[in-house]
Amino acid sequence: QERLVQSGAEVENPGASVKVSCKASGYSFTNYNMHWVRQAPGQGLEWVGRVIPRGGGTTYAQKFQGRVTMTRDTSTSTVYMELSSLRSEDTAVYYCARGDFGKLDPWGQGTLVTVSS
Amino acid sequence: QSALTQPASVSGSPGQSITISCTGTSSDFGDDNYVSWYQQHPDKTPKVIIFGVSNRPSGVSDRFSGSKSGNTASLTISGLQAEDEADYYCCSYTTSNIYVFGTGTKVTVL
Repeated sequence: QERLVQSGAEVENPGASVKVSCKASGYSFTNYNMHWVRQAPGQGLEWVGRVIPRGGGTTYAQKFQGRVTMTRDTSTSTVYMELSSLRSEDTAVYYCARGDFGKLDPWGQGTLVTVSS
Repeated sequence: QSALTQPASVSGSPGQSITISCTGTSSDFGDDNYVSWYQQHPDKTPKVIIFGVSNRPSGVSDRFSGSKSGNTASLTISGLQAEDEADYYCCSYTTSNIYVFGTGTKVTVL
Protein backbone atom coordinates (compact mmCIF):
# COMPACT_ATOMS: atom_id res chain seq x y z
CA GLN A 1 0.00 0.00 0.00
CA GLU A 2 1.05 3.64 -0.35
CA ARG A 3 3.38 4.58 2.45
CA LEU A 4 5.60 7.49 3.47
CA VAL A 5 8.44 6.93 5.93
CA GLN A 6 10.27 9.90 7.39
CA SER A 7 13.67 10.27 8.99
CA GLY A 8 14.13 10.40 12.75
CA ALA A 9 13.93 13.20 15.27
CA GLU A 10 16.48 16.00 15.16
CA VAL A 11 17.81 18.45 17.74
CA GLU A 12 19.49 21.54 16.37
CA ASN A 13 20.98 24.75 17.70
CA PRO A 14 19.47 28.11 16.79
CA GLY A 15 20.89 29.32 13.48
CA ALA A 16 21.61 25.83 12.20
CA SER A 17 19.91 23.94 9.38
CA VAL A 18 17.98 20.69 9.38
CA LYS A 19 17.20 18.31 6.53
CA VAL A 20 14.30 15.87 6.84
CA SER A 21 13.67 13.04 4.40
CA CYS A 22 10.50 11.27 3.32
CA LYS A 23 10.69 7.99 1.40
CA ALA A 24 7.67 6.94 -0.65
CA SER A 25 6.66 3.41 -1.55
CA GLY A 26 3.69 1.55 -2.98
CA TYR A 27 2.86 4.00 -5.79
CA SER A 28 4.38 5.78 -8.77
CA PHE A 29 6.54 8.45 -7.12
CA THR A 30 6.57 10.90 -10.02
CA ASN A 31 2.80 10.96 -10.47
CA TYR A 32 1.99 12.91 -7.29
CA ASN A 33 3.18 16.11 -5.65
CA MET A 34 4.63 15.92 -2.15
CA HIS A 35 3.70 18.44 0.49
CA TRP A 36 5.28 19.38 3.81
CA VAL A 37 3.13 20.43 6.75
CA ARG A 38 4.30 21.32 10.24
CA GLN A 39 2.66 21.41 13.65
CA ALA A 40 4.20 23.24 16.58
CA PRO A 41 3.53 21.80 20.06
CA GLY A 42 -0.13 22.28 20.94
CA GLN A 43 -0.76 24.25 17.75
CA GLY A 44 -2.54 23.72 14.44
CA LEU A 45 -1.39 22.51 11.05
CA GLU A 46 0.67 24.85 8.86
CA TRP A 47 1.44 24.27 5.18
CA VAL A 48 5.13 24.74 4.43
CA GLY A 49 5.30 23.97 0.71
CA ARG A 50 5.34 21.30 -1.97
CA VAL A 51 7.66 19.72 -4.49
CA ILE A 52 6.72 18.22 -7.85
CA PRO A 53 8.70 14.98 -8.14
CA ARG A 54 8.43 14.80 -11.94
CA GLY A 55 10.33 18.01 -12.65
CA GLY A 56 11.50 19.18 -9.24
CA GLY A 57 9.48 22.39 -9.24
CA THR A 58 8.61 23.85 -5.86
CA THR A 59 6.10 26.21 -4.24
CA TYR A 60 6.66 27.54 -0.75
CA ALA A 61 4.49 29.42 1.71
CA GLN A 62 5.60 33.04 1.81
CA LYS A 63 6.51 32.70 5.48
CA PHE A 64 9.28 30.23 4.64
CA GLN A 65 10.56 31.76 1.41
CA GLY A 66 14.34 32.07 1.53
CA ARG A 67 14.70 29.59 4.40
CA VAL A 68 13.24 26.37 3.01
CA THR A 69 14.42 24.16 0.17
CA MET A 70 12.55 21.09 -1.03
CA THR A 71 14.23 18.58 -3.31
CA ARG A 72 13.63 15.08 -4.55
CA ASP A 73 15.60 12.03 -5.64
CA THR A 74 13.60 10.03 -8.13
CA SER A 75 16.09 7.13 -8.01
CA THR A 76 15.16 6.45 -4.38
CA SER A 77 11.60 7.90 -4.37
CA THR A 78 12.63 10.28 -1.61
CA VAL A 79 11.87 13.93 -1.01
CA TYR A 80 13.79 16.23 1.29
CA MET A 81 12.95 19.40 3.16
CA GLU A 82 15.77 21.58 4.42
CA LEU A 83 15.03 24.49 6.74
CA SER A 84 17.82 26.93 7.55
CA SER A 85 18.43 29.71 10.09
CA LEU A 86 16.49 27.73 12.64
CA ARG A 87 14.88 29.52 15.58
CA SER A 88 12.97 28.25 18.58
CA GLU A 89 9.66 28.89 16.83
CA ASP A 90 10.59 26.24 14.26
CA THR A 91 10.30 23.53 16.90
CA ALA A 92 7.54 21.33 15.50
CA VAL A 93 6.59 18.00 14.04
CA TYR A 94 7.16 18.10 10.29
CA TYR A 95 4.99 15.85 8.12
CA CYS A 96 5.26 14.94 4.47
CA ALA A 97 1.99 14.13 2.71
CA ARG A 98 1.17 13.07 -0.84
CA GLY A 99 -1.03 15.44 -2.80
CA ASP A 100 -3.74 13.59 -4.66
CA PHE A 101 -6.18 15.86 -6.50
CA GLY A 102 -7.10 18.03 -3.58
CA LYS A 103 -6.43 15.71 -0.71
CA LEU A 104 -3.29 15.06 1.30
CA ASP A 105 -3.07 11.31 1.71
CA PRO A 106 -1.21 9.40 2.97
CA TRP A 107 0.90 11.21 5.55
CA GLY A 108 4.30 10.30 6.88
CA GLN A 109 4.64 9.49 10.56
CA GLY A 110 6.11 12.91 11.32
CA THR A 111 9.58 14.09 12.32
CA LEU A 112 10.07 16.11 15.49
CA VAL A 113 12.56 18.92 15.01
CA THR A 114 13.62 20.60 18.24
CA VAL A 115 15.53 23.87 18.12
CA SER A 116 17.29 24.51 21.38
CA SER A 117 20.64 25.69 22.64
CA GLN B 1 -1.41 34.43 4.15
CA SER B 2 -3.72 34.05 7.13
CA ALA B 3 -5.23 30.78 8.24
CA LEU B 4 -8.85 30.04 7.45
CA THR B 5 -11.10 30.76 10.41
CA GLN B 6 -12.69 27.90 12.35
CA PRO B 7 -14.40 27.91 15.75
CA ALA B 8 -11.96 26.89 18.46
CA SER B 9 -14.31 24.30 19.88
CA VAL B 10 -17.61 22.59 19.17
CA SER B 11 -19.36 20.09 21.42
CA GLY B 12 -22.35 17.79 21.24
CA SER B 13 -23.95 14.82 22.89
CA PRO B 14 -23.77 11.31 21.44
CA GLY B 15 -26.20 10.94 18.55
CA GLN B 16 -26.44 14.66 17.87
CA SER B 17 -25.21 16.47 14.77
CA ILE B 18 -22.63 19.23 14.81
CA THR B 19 -21.29 21.52 12.11
CA ILE B 20 -17.86 23.09 11.89
CA SER B 21 -17.44 26.17 9.73
CA CYS B 22 -14.34 27.23 7.80
CA THR B 23 -14.36 30.82 6.60
CA GLY B 24 -12.00 32.66 4.30
CA THR B 25 -11.93 35.11 1.45
CA SER B 26 -12.71 34.47 -2.19
CA SER B 27 -8.96 34.24 -2.78
CA ASP B 28 -8.63 31.50 -0.16
CA PHE B 29 -10.95 29.20 -2.10
CA GLY B 30 -9.29 29.12 -5.49
CA ASP B 31 -10.70 25.77 -6.59
CA ASP B 32 -13.55 23.87 -4.97
CA ASN B 33 -11.88 20.64 -5.98
CA TYR B 34 -9.21 21.40 -3.42
CA VAL B 35 -11.24 21.97 -0.23
CA SER B 36 -10.53 19.17 2.22
CA TRP B 37 -10.98 18.29 5.89
CA TYR B 38 -8.66 16.39 8.23
CA GLN B 39 -9.28 14.63 11.53
CA GLN B 40 -6.48 14.39 14.07
CA HIS B 41 -6.70 12.42 17.28
CA PRO B 42 -4.25 13.31 20.08
CA ASP B 43 -0.68 12.39 19.19
CA LYS B 44 -1.78 10.89 15.89
CA THR B 45 -1.19 11.73 12.26
CA PRO B 46 -3.89 13.76 10.46
CA LYS B 47 -6.31 11.76 8.34
CA VAL B 48 -8.32 13.06 5.38
CA ILE B 49 -12.07 12.66 5.85
CA ILE B 50 -13.43 14.96 3.12
CA PHE B 51 -11.92 16.16 -0.18
CA GLY B 52 -13.27 18.13 -3.12
CA VAL B 53 -15.71 19.89 -0.73
CA SER B 54 -17.99 16.89 -0.22
CA ASN B 55 -16.27 13.65 -1.22
CA ARG B 56 -15.39 10.94 1.29
CA PRO B 57 -12.39 8.66 0.83
CA SER B 58 -13.21 4.98 0.97
CA GLY B 59 -13.42 3.76 4.53
CA VAL B 60 -14.59 7.07 6.00
CA SER B 61 -17.95 6.92 7.71
CA ASP B 62 -20.91 8.46 5.89
CA ARG B 63 -21.66 10.32 9.13
CA PHE B 64 -19.12 12.87 7.85
CA SER B 65 -20.31 15.25 5.16
CA GLY B 66 -19.00 18.46 3.63
CA SER B 67 -20.45 21.44 1.86
CA LYS B 68 -19.54 24.94 0.75
CA SER B 69 -21.44 28.16 0.28
CA GLY B 70 -19.69 31.29 -0.84
CA ASN B 71 -16.52 31.73 1.20
CA THR B 72 -17.47 29.27 3.92
CA ALA B 73 -16.91 25.53 3.86
CA SER B 74 -18.59 23.32 6.43
CA LEU B 75 -18.10 19.88 7.92
CA THR B 76 -21.07 18.14 9.50
CA ILE B 77 -20.76 15.13 11.77
CA SER B 78 -24.08 13.38 12.28
CA GLY B 79 -24.84 10.71 14.87
CA LEU B 80 -21.94 11.95 16.98
CA GLN B 81 -19.90 9.17 18.59
CA ALA B 82 -17.23 9.13 21.29
CA GLU B 83 -14.59 8.23 18.70
CA ASP B 84 -15.30 11.49 16.85
CA GLU B 85 -13.66 13.44 19.66
CA ALA B 86 -10.63 14.93 17.92
CA ASP B 87 -9.27 18.06 16.26
CA TYR B 88 -10.55 18.95 12.79
CA TYR B 89 -8.87 21.12 10.17
CA CYS B 90 -10.08 22.46 6.86
CA CYS B 91 -7.63 23.05 4.02
CA SER B 92 -7.90 24.95 0.74
CA TYR B 93 -5.87 25.72 -2.37
CA THR B 94 -5.75 29.46 -2.87
CA THR B 95 -5.62 31.66 -5.96
CA SER B 96 -1.96 32.28 -5.12
CA ASN B 97 -1.25 28.61 -5.80
CA ILE B 98 -0.51 27.82 -2.18
CA TYR B 99 -2.40 25.80 0.39
CA VAL B 100 -3.79 27.13 3.64
CA PHE B 101 -5.16 25.29 6.67
CA GLY B 102 -7.86 26.40 9.03
CA THR B 103 -7.17 27.32 12.63
CA GLY B 104 -8.54 23.99 13.83
CA THR B 105 -11.58 22.97 15.86
CA LYS B 106 -11.60 20.74 18.91
CA VAL B 107 -14.69 18.54 18.97
CA THR B 108 -15.84 17.32 22.37
CA VAL B 109 -18.42 14.60 22.84
CA LEU B 110 -20.30 15.34 26.04
